[in-house]
Amino acid sequence: DAGVIQSPRHEVTEMGQEVTLRCKPISGHNSLFWYRQTMMRGLELLIYFNNNVPIDDSGMPEDRFSAKMPNASFSTLKIQPSEPRDSAVYFCASSSLPYEQYFGPGTRLTVT
Amino acid sequence: AQSVAQPEDQVNVAEGNPLTVKCTYSVSGNPYLFWYVQYPNRGLQFLLKYITGDNLVKGSYGFEAEFNKSQTSFHLKKPSALVSDSALYFCAVRGASGGSYIPTFGRGTSLIVHP
Repeated sequence: DAGVIQSPRHEVTEMGQEVTLRCKPISGHNSLFWYRQTMMRGLELLIYFNNNVPIDDSGMPEDRFSAKMPNASFSTLKIQPSEPRDSAVYFCASSSLPYEQYFGPGTRLTVT
Repeated sequence: AQSVAQPEDQVNVAEGNPLTVKCTYSVSGNPYLFWYVQYPNRGLQFLLKYITGDNLVKGSYGFEAEFNKSQTSFHLKKPSALVSDSALYFCAVRGASGGSYIPTFGRGTSLIVHP
């Protein structure tokens, strides 16, 4: 298995632009998580899907952030409009609950 | 509510010496416990887990962890540290029954192994 796949690996954009991050979970996993990691705030859970349905989005910072999972093999995290404080590494992880998560390599987002 | 504490931001150890990275947790009922490692510019990587059974759990790269229910701890250990073990280590917990399937992560402990 190729593991969790994320794209792009790096994204540099200007403030106000729309950013879309993509994730392909491990086949057969029924849960998907989006995290954000910064030095200041550590690892933060943004949203959790189970069987493609958003279960907990309490970690989504504000309305500028949205996430979708149209099918079991694809999810997106969108930021519109982006702001410099959104700069972070964004991770996608999948799991066959209730057990361990498998993380993707992350997308390093820089908003200037 | 469930929580995890990793009391040390950084652990320093000499190569060849044993290492311990500490983790304590709080959860309703029985816990599922996990350790992950993150190398620079990489995603978190699963190391080992405790679900049930033997309190001593063995995982990848020679790591092991001991579940202690009375002390609500799940410390990560390795008998002989390698320089290549230098990384960020995360402990995570979730309840074994009911409630949220979302695990709670600690803030991470940076392990530095000196040659």
